[in-house]
Amino acid sequence: AQTVTQSQPEMSVQEAETVTLSCTYDTSESDYYLFWYKQPPSRQMILVIRQEAYKQQNATENRFSVNFQKAAKSFSLKISDSQLGDAAMYFCAYRKVGNQFYFGTGTSLTVIP
Amino acid sequence: GAGVSQTPSNKVTEKGKYVELRCDPISGHTALYWYRQSLGQGPEFLIYFQGTGAADDSGLPNDRFFAVRPEGSVSTLKIQRTERGDSAVYLCASSPMPQETQYFGPGTRLLVL
Repeated sequence: AQTVTQSQPEMSVQEAETVTLSCTYDTSESDYYLFWYKQPPSRQMILVIRQEAYKQQNATENRFSVNFQKAAKSFSLKISDSQLGDAAMYFCAYRKVGNQFYFGTGTSLTVIP
Repeated sequence: GAGVSQTPSNKVTEKGKYVELRCDPISGHTALYWYRQSLGQGPEFLIYFQGTGAADDSGLPNDRFFAVRPEGSVSTLKIQRTERGDSAVYLCASSPMPQETQYFGPGTRLLVL
């Protein structure tokens, strides 16, 4: 079975500071994808960043980067220079090739002005 | 181009009634997914279509839930004899191919009284 665990239900960060959101997952597969999605109050799930498991290099998208530790099955998201618009629920998700997503329970991020 | 759209955005119904939720995927996307998101939880997979056929319906909770995608584009999730426990946000996502990133719609919030 695949499970995704986000151990931080809530996090807060001062504007312009850096925050790291944690995610661990359980799988017996060697080939899969990992994602971070952002869900603001509008409910729209927005892709933040994606990582292919076969790539050793950590994915980066502007202020967002991941620390992917395949052996440890860990996939944390780092948000640098946090902005007020970053406030949202963040979901970590796992997907086996060609299959559906498994989502964590989410981390609610508050950005303090 | 236009993103994934879902209608209605909110639906209130009475216990025992039948409801239909509609999803319009991004044009050209062959894969379509339905998820259910209960309060405080991450989305849970329900069903996945590749073209017109349901490639994986293992997430449907029981036979009251059914989904169709007759022409390989628009999909309808149908819930018979609704129960209060069906209250949730129902999310739809589409992707160009199954292994590609999923793009989510804004969801339909269903409330069963």
